[in-house]
Amino acid sequence: DGGITQSPKYLFRKEGQNVTLSCEQNLNHDAMYWYRQDPGQGLRLIYYSQIVNDFQKGDIAEGYSVSREKKESFPLTVTSAQKNPTAFYLCASSKGRGWGTEAFFGQGTRLTVV
Amino acid sequence: AQSVTQPDIHITVSEGASLELRCNYSYGATPYLFWYVQSPGQGLQLLLKYFSGDTLVQGIKGFEAEFKRSQSSFNLRKPSVHWSDAAEYFCAVGANNAGNMLTFGGGTRLMVKP
Repeated sequence: DGGITQSPKYLFRKEGQNVTLSCEQNLNHDAMYWYRQDPGQGLRLIYYSQIVNDFQKGDIAEGYSVSREKKESFPLTVTSAQKNPTAFYLCASSKGRGWGTEAFFGQGTRLTVV
Repeated sequence: AQSVTQPDIHITVSEGASLELRCNYSYGATPYLFWYVQSPGQGLQLLLKYFSGDTLVQGIKGFEAEFKRSQSSFNLRKPSVHWSDAAEYFCAVGANNAGNMLTFGGGTRLMVKP
């Protein structure tokens, strides 16, 4: 079955650590996205990528980094510079480079700072 | 830049009652509009989408939405709510450019009384 896989489902990070969240899709989508979700705040865009080896900052990119070395993969690193990383992180993909195509979402990763 | 407002943070309805969730958008051209549903701790599932044509769109699980350009609205409706509809609902607008990113509203949490 085609879809988007995020791992791990739960992740715990100590203060000062970098952690990487995995996102893999087998939908042959060009575009991939990372959103952060906090209670009562909806979804906010962190980074997006329209094509391999290219990505752009979203609204809240500070303290995060990404790479897009393969079409299928778009990992997100939460760095120690992110002061409040505890949140639910959602990865999405879409056909991209087109108008109005919907995004498909993974099941999310819940990151907690301990 | 586009924006989406969902005026109701929480809504409680009785099982079997009708439902309407409000969504207002701001966008300079014809928008591409979506409704997603999220169960606790899960990703987002697409309920329905509007790209063009008939302004009343049908979705999954018995939901429908009506695009009203004059009111900049895209309200979600269901004639009879089931207990399994309890979830969080997000309205989103898509940018009609190659970026194709979605901007989300803050969400409406639906609770269903027996």
